[in-house]
Amino acid sequence: DSGVTQTPKHLITATGQRVTLRCSPRSGDLSVYWYQQSLDQGLQFLIQYYNGEERAKGNILERFSAQQFPDLHSELNLSSLELGDSALYFCASSVGASLPSYNEQFFGPGTRLTVL
Amino acid sequence: AQSVTQLGSHVSVSEGALVLLRCNYSSSVPPYLFWYVQYPNQGLQLLLKYTTGATLVKGINGFEAEFKKSETSFHLTKPSAHMSDAAEYFCAVSAFTGYSTLTFGKGTMLLVSP
Repeated sequence: DSGVTQTPKHLITATGQRVTLRCSPRSGDLSVYWYQQSLDQGLQFLIQYYNGEERAKGNILERFSAQQFPDLHSELNLSSLELGDSALYFCASSVGASLPSYNEQFFGPGTRLTVL
Repeated sequence: AQSVTQLGSHVSVSEGALVLLRCNYSSSVPPYLFWYVQYPNQGLQLLLKYTTGATLVKGINGFEAEFKKSETSFHLTKPSAHMSDAAEYFCAVSAFTGYSTLTFGKGTMLLVSP
């Protein structure tokens, strides 16, 4: 158990809909990262927040957005969903915001999103 | 920009045999290199990492990897496979500078047969 929790575990929805994925980081971690894992694209970094502020952006679509709240939990919002958005979405957390070599990222168990 | 290539989406070994998972990277700056393992229905767990210094890095569960700059490789090995090693393994690279994030390879599924 990494200490990172994600809810829900599974989510099934229809095209065009909007969903929210939630992540609670490990106690004491200030950084939260979101990743998308799909069969064709592999594991891709989406976005990072540090202490409530956006720190780095990866291959995140405009239809997707995220935020980190004062209690440090984070939410990833996916809207106008398409079939291709079906994937496993991981959240990770780390103590700091800088190089991964200094701040090990601890991964949650993921949310499996299925868009029908 | 960085990229990672993992050779072989699936690798099959017998229990007790040598495990070799291949990873080649591309980076315009000195890289930091990582291996992660993902067990079924779980998130990723860090196995080992190379930052600077000794090029042979030892990790958890008996795994090790060697950074070879001339070959731009960071292959993962374990002398003797165990059934519990069956999982998916990801190689990742990060740049040496700035607030760099992780770029992952596509992963290699390790299958261990009795």
